[in-house]
Amino acid sequence: EVQLLESGGGLVQPGGSLRLSCAASGFTFSSYAMSWVRQAPGKGLEWVSAISGSGGSTYYADSVKGRFTISRDNSKNTLYLQMNSLRAEDTAVYYCAKALTMIVVPLDAFDIWGQGTMVTVSS
Amino acid sequence: SYELTQPLSVSVALGQTARITCGGNNIGSKNVHWYQQKPGQAPVLVIYRDSNRPSGIPERFSGSNSGNTATLTISRAQAGDEADYYCQVWDSSTAKVVFGGGTKLTVL
Repeated sequence: EVQLLESGGGLVQPGGSLRLSCAASGFTFSSYAMSWVRQAPGKGLEWVSAISGSGGSTYYADSVKGRFTISRDNSKNTLYLQMNSLRAEDTAVYYCAKALTMIVVPLDAFDIWGQGTMVTVSS
Repeated sequence: SYELTQPLSVSVALGQTARITCGGNNIGSKNVHWYQQKPGQAPVLVIYRDSNRPSGIPERFSGSNSGNTATLTISRAQAGDEADYYCQVWDSSTAKVVFGGGTKLTVL
């Protein structure tokens, strides 16, 4: 069964850091681009970042560029999101999502999503 | 930056056809994807690349894309189709993913 399982969310103070992980199973992880998408409470979906199958290409939303870093370890079938300088407006459920194809430009649809992990930034 | 515009809400009578639009400048030149999200759940892909259905998605779901509007059509609407629906594209000019604001579908 194809599955994505996020972890690492929690409560963090403004200015703090957090690293999210997404463990993949049931497919050849290195063959697909991956993304992080977030959803603030009661709001719509917001794309955060994407990474190619090889990890050699990365892309970010303007709202997180310079603060967040996406990476992957294909030997561990795991996607990461390092989040630094966190702000209250980063509070959201963070989903990892698998793209239909390996390439990130153009990024294809997200056919598999994790269940999400909640990040709360508050003092 | 590229923007996608969706109606906040759409209502449809049980068994009738619902149409949810997604507006964007020359969106017909882009691949449009649609997601369904029910409360407390992760999004589910229902249409990809304008009009393709993933396996497991009922034939009642279809999509089209032309000019400045993409449309998700849900035929013979069921109570279980009540959800938020989001359109999404890849904006090649900025190398970013763009989501529409979402449409809440109510089945009456």
